[in-house]
Amino acid sequence: DIVMTQSPDSLAVSLGERATVSCKSSQTVFYNTNSKNYLAWYQQKPGQPPKLLIYWASTRESGVPDRFSGSGSGTDFTLTINSLQAEDVAVYYCQQYYSSPLTFGQGTKVEIK
Amino acid sequence: QVQLVQSGAEVKKPGSSVKVSCKASGGTFSNYAITWVRQAPGQGLEWMGRIMPLFDKTNYADKFQGRVTMTADKSTSTAYMELSSLRSEDTAIYYCARDDCGADCYSTWWYFDLWGRGTLVTVSS
Repeated sequence: DIVMTQSPDSLAVSLGERATVSCKSSQTVFYNTNSKNYLAWYQQKPGQPPKLLIYWASTRESGVPDRFSGSGSGTDFTLTINSLQAEDVAVYYCQQYYSSPLTFGQGTKVEIK
Repeated sequence: QVQLVQSGAEVKKPGSSVKVSCKASGGTFSNYAITWVRQAPGQGLEWMGRIMPLFDKTNYADKFQGRVTMTADKSTSTAYMELSSLRSEDTAIYYCARDDCGADCYSTWWYFDLWGRGTLVTVSS
């Protein structure tokens, strides 16, 4: 199984500042055949289902604000939230869909400082 | 606008089974797969498996193999997840989610672009 490890477990950022969440996979999620990283990011607010933010490691889902961006390749990935807004308070999960079983990181809680 | 509408909360006894439904409202799921993910109280997300109605094919996580059955009724655009031999550790919110992978569903895994609101299953004696 591919283990996904996020850091930190939680972070507090001032409004308007940048939040950075790291995600590392225990093996590569880069598929050479199509040159894609099988890595997604989700946002989950309390009492709500997860919401897709980013797929293929860096492609923003339609309707997601452009302050959210994803980067990285292979085994190391980053979710960046530029200019944090109050509505961004949530838990963020990375997920690999390279191989079964599909696995998620443990989540990173983002709060306002 | 497609929505995934899940069935209501359930309370079950240990050792029993539960069947949760997920209806694609406003569309059909002929071109995608339906994945099931669960979340125990205060915990993270756990992938259980998926069904591809177009191919009548299922994939289950090893952890749930033998205990979970995923089915789909294409005529009503409804997917089902049945979990048997319930124990207290199965208490969780069960989500269905869409893999919009089309024909690629057969040969690859995908991300989940649409989620149901979840069904709380409580296992208690």
